[in-house]
Parts: sequence; C-alpha cells; structure tokens
Amino acid sequence: EAGVVQSPRYKIIEKKQPVAFWCNPISGHNTLYWYRQNLGQGPELLIRYENEEAVDDSQLPKDRFSAERLKGVDSTLKIQPAELGDSAVYLCASSLSGDYNEQFFGPGTRLTVL
Amino acid sequence: AQSVTQLGSHVSVSEGALVLLRCNYSSSVPPYLFWYVQYPNKGLQLLLKYTSAATLVKGINGFEAEFKKSETSFHLTKPSAHMSDAAEYFCAVSARNQFYFGTGTSLTVIP
Repeated sequence: EAGVVQSPRYKIIEKKQPVAFWCNPISGHNTLYWYRQNLGQGPELLIRYENEEAVDDSQLPKDRFSAERLKGVDSTLKIQPAELGDSAVYLCASSLSGDYNEQFFGPGTRLTVL
Repeated sequence: AQSVTQLGSHVSVSEGALVLLRCNYSSSVPPYLFWYVQYPNKGLQLLLKYTSAATLVKGINGFEAEFKKSETSFHLTKPSAHMSDAAEYFCAVSARNQFYFGTGTSLTVIP
C-alpha cells in the first residue's frame, strides 16, 4: 500500500516569494492534515480536512497561508508571500475519520526561506 | 482543551538499558493517546496507541506504554534499548477532534 506522498521534499526560496506544497493521502482516508514542524518541536496543526471541507483551520495564518483539497483527495498548501519565520518542515498526514484512528504521515517538505 | 507535556527533551541510555520516556496529558474528556517515532529525515510512524481498552498497550519494536488516569500519564518504556531506537519520540493526545503533539524527546543510545 502506498503511503502519504508529498512533494517537493526540499524547497529553498527567497522571502516574499510564493511557495506551494502538494500532498496525496492514502487512498480511502477521509481526513487530511497539514502540520508545521519547527526544529526541535512537535508538529503543530495548521488545517484539517474532512473530505473536501476544512473543519479546523484555526491555527492557519490566513493572511499568507491558504489550502485546498479539491475533490477530497489531493491537497495543496500555499504560502504567499513567504517570510523568514516560515522556514520549517511541512508535514501532511491522513487518516480514517475518528479521534482514535492513527494518522499516517508523509516524509514532509523542508522549506528554507532566505 | 487538550495538551501534552513531555518531560525531558533529551534522554540518553546505554545499549541494553531500560528506556523510559515520560508523557503527561491534560484533557477535559477521556482522551486517546499515541506515541509516534521520527527517524532523521523521515515521517512520523505510530509506535502504539491507547483507545480506552487495555491500559497497558504494546506497540512495535518492543515498546509499551501504560495509561494511568490517576496520574494523567502515558509513559513509554522498553526493557532493553537497541542502537536502532535512537530517534525523536512524540506523545500525542486526541479528543473531540483536537489533536496535539508534545514537543518531543530525543533518545540517544550509547554503545
């Protein structure tokens, strides 16, 4: 079974530039998460989707971050414009619906903003 | 609201020694609890989870954790550390569709 796929794995951009990350979840997983993980910290939830609906985006900095999950499968997270403080690893995870279900994580995209 | 506290951001043990990684949680409702492991440049992988069945949960790679409601703890243990256990370990709590990770504990295994 294929796991969660993310691309790109690494991205280096200059501040004020836009950047986008892509995630393909495990087939059949209704729930999709985007997390940001700073160095030495645990993942912090940015947004959670149930199918194509964003059900929790309370931690998403909406002035510069946006996300979409068209057709309830793949998802894209965008930052525009990027700031130095956005340098982090962006993780995508998917699961079946329900608090008790395991989340499966992709390898992440390491973003460096110069 | 839910939260997780991991005591000790770095833990070092000798190969063959007991591994104990501490996790305390806060939750206003009965929680589900998870331990994940992250190897360098890899995604997080589930070690084990507590879902209100048995309080002693066995996971992969010889790890286990015990849910103690009275102590609001979910500590992770392994009787004998192996070099391959060196990684970052995260405790997480889930309840009412809120999911929070702890700040992680980096485990070093000394040969």
